[in-house]
Amino acid sequence: EAQVTQNPRYLITVTGKKLTVTCSQNMNHEYMSWYRQDPGLGLRQIYYSMNVEVTDKGDVPEGYKVSRKEKRNFPLILESPSPNQTSLYFCASSFDARIYGYTFGSGTRLTVV
Amino acid sequence: GENVEQHPSTLSVQEGDSAVIKCTYSDSASNYFPWYKQELGKRPQLIIDIRSNVGEKKDQRIAVTLNKTAKHFSLHITETQPEDSAVYFCAASTSQSGGGADGLTFGKGTHLIIQP
Repeated sequence: EAQVTQNPRYLITVTGKKLTVTCSQNMNHEYMSWYRQDPGLGLRQIYYSMNVEVTDKGDVPEGYKVSRKEKRNFPLILESPSPNQTSLYFCASSFDARIYGYTFGSGTRLTVV
Repeated sequence: GENVEQHPSTLSVQEGDSAVIKCTYSDSASNYFPWYKQELGKRPQLIIDIRSNVGEKKDQRIAVTLNKTAKHFSLHITETQPEDSAVYFCAASTSQSGGGADGLTFGKGTHLIIQP
């Protein structure tokens, strides 16, 4: 089944403790992206990747890192999480997001206390 | 970069009536406009999309219209049913050449409530 898999689904952590949210897709998509969803603010892009070893900032990249060492994986790294990063995170992939839109992962609800 | 405005933020309609959600965008280079439906606790899912060479597209009870001159596009749902209750997001394609990031810029969403 074609899908985007995110882990974990839920995560509660403490301020400053490094964490990684994994994202993997099995559709051979070149484009992958991370979004955060907050009430009243919609979906805002954090980082995206057009291909392996190619990453770029979205609209809200501060406090996040990403890497794209393999085509299928695009992990999101929070080196020192803070409470304002409490949010619902979605990974998305596409052959070309400007033409075909996204397939979203199931989401990761992160709480930083 | 691209700015997408979506209205209304909440829309309540009687079952069987029609619902219309409107979006405007700022980047004239945008050429792809998808709509996503997000049910409570679930991921956004693509329900319909339109490209800039088309003015209207229909799929059963849902339709999307695009006015490139005015830079606005709309989602129309006819004969609404309880299962249409969800949050709907519009989006517009963006590119670095247009001053933004490559991908999609989303509106803030419309919470559609179908009253029985």
